[in-house]
Amino acid sequence: EPEVTQTPSHQVTQMGQEVILRCVPISNHLYFYWYRQILGQKVEFLVSFYNNEISEKSEIFDDQFSVERPDGSNFTLKIRSTKLEDSAMYFCASRGGRGRNIQYFGAGTRLSVL
Amino acid sequence: QQQVKQSPQSLIVQKGGISIINCAYENTAFDYFPWYQQFPGKGPALLIAIRPDVSEKKEGRFTISFNKSAKQFSLHIMDSQPGDSATYFCAARGNYGQNFVFGPGTRLSVLP
Repeated sequence: EPEVTQTPSHQVTQMGQEVILRCVPISNHLYFYWYRQILGQKVEFLVSFYNNEISEKSEIFDDQFSVERPDGSNFTLKIRSTKLEDSAMYFCASRGGRGRNIQYFGAGTRLSVL
Repeated sequence: QQQVKQSPQSLIVQKGGISIINCAYENTAFDYFPWYQQFPGKGPALLIAIRPDVSEKKEGRFTISFNKSAKQFSLHIMDSQPGDSATYFCAARGNYGQNFVFGPGTRLSVLP
């Protein structure tokens, strides 16, 4: 069964450093998402991406965040200057075309900012 | 208006019992309501979903009941098993956007 793959599974970084979280969505999917989940809390939407541009973003997704689909297969989330409060699980999800509602989630990347 | 409320926060059920988790929303533009199951250290996995044009959907031991007028929906797990122990999130999607709004989650423990 196709799945969304995220790497690394755990990323440890120093405050102020840049991190890039990587995702390989399901191959024929067209819509891509990043969510985050602070430990013990609910899943929160960050950004959605379609047709090589951001289609929607939340208030969490400020100027420190950016997304990119550099090569048609990977979908990355970059945090320019990490803060302690960026520590969370980050989930990538992808969805097929219009009318296909199911979002498939990856296993997540645990980001620890020290 | 973007919130999805979920209760209870935690639930303990005996094996073979019925687990019931409730969610409520305010935004009438929401048009798709999935339930996700999450095991520790894993990403959310879609369990079952419903659209507001039906009042109930059943898949195996899992049933969603949907009350459009009350803006409430619930997940029923029949014959609950210890393997069902996980955190369950309800969610809603608005037709004006494609992201999901998640409820805060319910931690279900099914005792053997």
